[in-house]
Amino acid sequence: AQKVTQAQTEISVVEKEDVTLDCVYETRDTTYYLFWYKQPPSGELVFLIRRNSFDEQNEISGRYSWNFQKSTSSFNFTITASQVVDSAVYFCALRMGSSNTGKLIFGQGTTLQVKP
Amino acid sequence: GAVVSQHPSRVICKSGTSVKIECRSLDFQATTMFWYRQFPKQSLMLMATSNEGSKATYEQGVEKDKFLINHASLTLSTLTVTSAHPEDSSFYICSARNPVGGANQPQHFGDGTRLSIL
Repeated sequence: AQKVTQAQTEISVVEKEDVTLDCVYETRDTTYYLFWYKQPPSGELVFLIRRNSFDEQNEISGRYSWNFQKSTSSFNFTITASQVVDSAVYFCALRMGSSNTGKLIFGQGTTLQVKP
Repeated sequence: GAVVSQHPSRVICKSGTSVKIECRSLDFQATTMFWYRQFPKQSLMLMATSNEGSKATYEQGVEKDKFLINHASLTLSTLTVTSAHPEDSSFYICSARNPVGGANQPQHFGDGTRLSIL
């Protein structure tokens, strides 16, 4: 079965704090792709980051960083020095390599509130 | 800038009306597009996969006759909610992926359509 779990329903932090959003996935495919999307109150989904299953190198991009651990099937996303504009719902998504359509499986989403 | 355009952004109409939503890929050709539905404070639920030149593939529980999908060109897919009723009120969002660049290309989403049926 393929599944994405975001156990944190809501997180509230104060501006400038670091915050990590958790994502755990399940798939039998050996090749797969993981994504994080942001959905601000206006509703559109904005692509943030992606990771291939065969590339476990973790990276930092500005205030964003991610930690991909195949051993624990986790793909956590960290925002450093959070800002009020980071307030949004964040979705983790999985695409199996065996999918020829590119179909995504989404987690339940984590609502992040950054207070000034 | 946006790579997927969705129109209209908001629709308010009376019960029984049919509503058409358009999804366009702006600078790439998409043989496959996706239609999602999202209820307040919930995740995206895939409704169907739109296939250019052939029938859409619907997810289990989604009524084909209720949600008509047409993918007549490589840059346009339409979702028509036929004879809409208040329970069809929701946020509908489409996505497409540029096949050029490899299998790890992300899906890009339209801005969504907020449908309210009175």
